[in-house]
Amino acid sequence: RKEVEQDPGPFNVPEGATVAFNCTYSNSASQSFFWYRQDCRKEPKLLMSVYSSGNEDGRFTAQLNRASQYISLLIRDSKLSDSATYLCVVIFNDYKLSFGAGTTVTVRA
Amino acid sequence: EPEVTQTPSHQVTQMGQEVILRCVPISNHLYFYWYRQILGQKVEFLVSFYNNEISEKSEIFDDQFSVERPDGSNFTLKIRSTKLEDSAMYFCASSVKGANSPLHFGNGTRLTVT
Repeated sequence: RKEVEQDPGPFNVPEGATVAFNCTYSNSASQSFFWYRQDCRKEPKLLMSVYSSGNEDGRFTAQLNRASQYISLLIRDSKLSDSATYLCVVIFNDYKLSFGAGTTVTVRA
Repeated sequence: EPEVTQTPSHQVTQMGQEVILRCVPISNHLYFYWYRQILGQKVEFLVSFYNNEISEKSEIFDDQFSVERPDGSNFTLKIRSTKLEDSAMYFCASSVKGANSPLHFGNGTRLTVT
């Protein structure tokens, strides 16, 4: 089983729609979780951390389910600029992050 | 806002040649990383570096790879004898407090091995 697995998508949604997707991880001892965003051929950029109680940042909501070992990202009121690949990142220790393969989201006008 | 800088942005080399990819992490960061991303594939961990030594490395990071922090600012990745399959985007990253704090990535170096 892969360390971090994501639905690759693509998720094609109209502007204003809500889109949500999950990421599962295999190591129950995983410490921390993040969502990064990557635009085509660019570097990954931190979107948000994922806290145990769930957290929001504007239109973005992240949740963690430790029992089922997955995290989720929900985007409300999608904008064209939200089109990107969203990378799930799982931390096992201080020295290593593991990236998922990414979920591609395309928001159309 | 301080940023991680990488040079060159694009490197073309012949198979078997040595390449050095350079990175200047953010000045107060203590943890340094190299990742790579083959076109169309996931971001893969190569190596992490803390306190002037490698703290963790992946199976990709074999004897052909080495890292160095030769002075207080640069962090380099050397590939001794490049192979075609080393062609990828190489990202340097740094963080203040290790992997539990956000990583800041450089813009990447696109390595093309011919």
